[in-house]
Amino acid sequence: KAGVTQTPRYLIKTRGQQVTLSCSPISGHRSVSWYQQTPGQGLQFLFEYFSETQRNKGNFPGRFSGRQFSNSRSEMNVSTLELGDSALYLCASSLRGPGTSESYEQYFGPGTRLTVT
Amino acid sequence: EDKVVQSPLSLVVHEGDTVTLNCSYEVTNFRSLLWYKQEKKAPTFLFMLTSSGIEKKSGRLSSILDKKELSSILNITATQTGDSAIYLCAAPLPYGGSQGNLIFGKGTKLSVKP
Repeated sequence: KAGVTQTPRYLIKTRGQQVTLSCSPISGHRSVSWYQQTPGQGLQFLFEYFSETQRNKGNFPGRFSGRQFSNSRSEMNVSTLELGDSALYLCASSLRGPGTSESYEQYFGPGTRLTVT
Repeated sequence: EDKVVQSPLSLVVHEGDTVTLNCSYEVTNFRSLLWYKQEKKAPTFLFMLTSSGIEKKSGRLSSILDKKELSSILNITATQTGDSAIYLCAAPLPYGGSQGNLIFGKGTKLSVKP
């Protein structure tokens, strides 16, 4: 079974620009979660999608948004980039969702390394 | 607020040493604890510990859950340079919360020197 894939793997943007990152979950997984990872803060939860609906959202500003398509692929968008947005963005897929049998394991993609200059 | 705390934050050992990484948790409706290894990019799943499976072992790695002490340890024996990584501990949260479905500790960065 193919793992979680993310594109692009590396990205360099300048302040004020916007960026879109993509994530394809493991086949059959309908839940996709996004995380921001920085050396000082560790893994911080951005949001989670299940069946094309955002199910929960972390404490990030509205510049961070996302969506999920009918094939469970997900995108996240960051508008008006700031220097502090430089981070590794990870997505993870899971079988877990509302009303589904509980499976807590999340499987991570390789991440997108975003550098904002 | 739910939280997961790992210690130490970093550790340097020599090949052949045995290391113990710690994870403590305060989580609503605790059900399980997960360990991940992150080398360069994606965290890879190591173990899940639950009430019915409080000890897991895979090769030189083993992990124990202590529900009384609200903690877990990850042991690595006969360490190798390939064990150098960040080890993350995580616990599931009730579905739909603002902290997400998994809450992570900040990780322990293990460096194994030859």
